[in-house]
Formats: sequence, C-alpha cells, structure tokens
Amino acid sequence: NAGVTQTPKFRVLKTGQSMTLLCAQDMNHEYMYWYRQDPGMGLRLIHYSVGEGTTAKGEVPDGYNVSRLKKQNFLLGLESAAPSQTSVYFCASSYGEGSDTQYFGPGTRLTVL
Amino acid sequence: GEDVEQSLFLSVREGDSSVINCTYTDSSSTYLYWYKQEPGAGLQLLTYIFSNMDMKQDQRLTVLLNKKDKHLSLRIADTQTGDSAIYFCAERYDYKLSFGAGTTVTVRA
Repeated sequence: NAGVTQTPKFRVLKTGQSMTLLCAQDMNHEYMYWYRQDPGMGLRLIHYSVGEGTTAKGEVPDGYNVSRLKKQNFLLGLESAAPSQTSVYFCASSYGEGSDTQYFGPGTRLTVL
Repeated sequence: GEDVEQSLFLSVREGDSSVINCTYTDSSSTYLYWYKQEPGAGLQLLTYIFSNMDMKQDQRLTVLLNKKDKHLSLRIADTQTGDSAIYFCAERYDYKLSFGAGTTVTVRA
C-alpha cells in the first residue's frame, strides 16, 4: 500500500495563477482532509470530506476549493494564487470511526511569488 | 477550531527522558493524539489516548492525561538522536483534529 500520496511535491506560482493539488489514498478511507502548515502555527484545516461527493469548510477555507469525485481522491484548487498562500500543504485520510487516526501524505511545498 | 497549546522548544541530552506538555480546551474530546514530524516529511502518528484513560504506555513512550486540568503529556524515555523532530499534540472534535503549534525537540550529545 502506498498510503497517502500527494502531487506535486513542489510548485512555484506567480500571483494570480491557478493550480490543483492532488491527494490520493489507497486505504479505502471515508474521510479526507487538506491542511496547511505555516511556521509557528501548527496545522490548520482548510477543507475536509466525509465521503465521496461531499465537502465541508474547515478553519481557513478562503481562497481554496475542493472536490471529491472519487472516494480515493481529494483535490485542492487555488483559483487565483496569492503570496499569503505560500505554505506547505498536507493531505490526510481516516476511516472516520473508532480512534479515527489520520494518516498524512508527505506534503506539497507551494511558493507564490 | 479548538485551542491546543504547547511549548515551542525542548532541548534534552541523549539518554535522558523528554517530557512534552500540551493543554487543550474541549472537554468533550474523545481522543487525543501525538504526532511526530521529521524535517521535510509529513506527520507520523506516534500514539493516541482515549479520553477515559489516564495513562498509556507504548515501549519508550508514555502518555499521561489529566482531564480535570485538560493537560496531556508525552514522555520519551532514553531519548535518542533520532527523536529530534517536531512533536504535535492534537485533539479530536467532531470529525476534525485541532493541532498545537508543535514542540521542536533537539537532542544533544
């Protein structure tokens, strides 16, 4: 099992450009999450999904959109990138029951110039 | 989200015990977690504790939970250089996790 994978690993954008980050999991997890990590602030939840076809806003959703068309994939979109979106983005997934442990991907480092 | 607080830095000598502390705010949290992040990597689950437990031990790791004070701690026995990393405390609320800012642990020889 690959677990949780993210593509790309690194990306540099200019202000105003758009891009999509892809997260894939092969553990048949119901729940998937997108976080951003900034220095000294821990991880903050952007959006999450509790099942195929569902999405919900997290703590810092502005400027981002998501889609969960397939159970194994969770896409994070930036329609018009801003320098404030420079961050490391992590995807996670979980079963959604029991201890509900979240398993994390390796991260995507995004720089917006 | 809920507020989770932890000290930012800890320096420990190799072979000593490390204790990382965390406070949380949501008394209805069912699970609390400790994650480890090594440089350039994602978060790796170290251990978790259910809210009706006071203590959980797993090899070199001991988790203590004081629900009355909403205080969680992680003790690493016989700290090694490979334990140098950022450690995150997290509490679960609804379907989501709320993370602390992370404690950077540096192990010195």
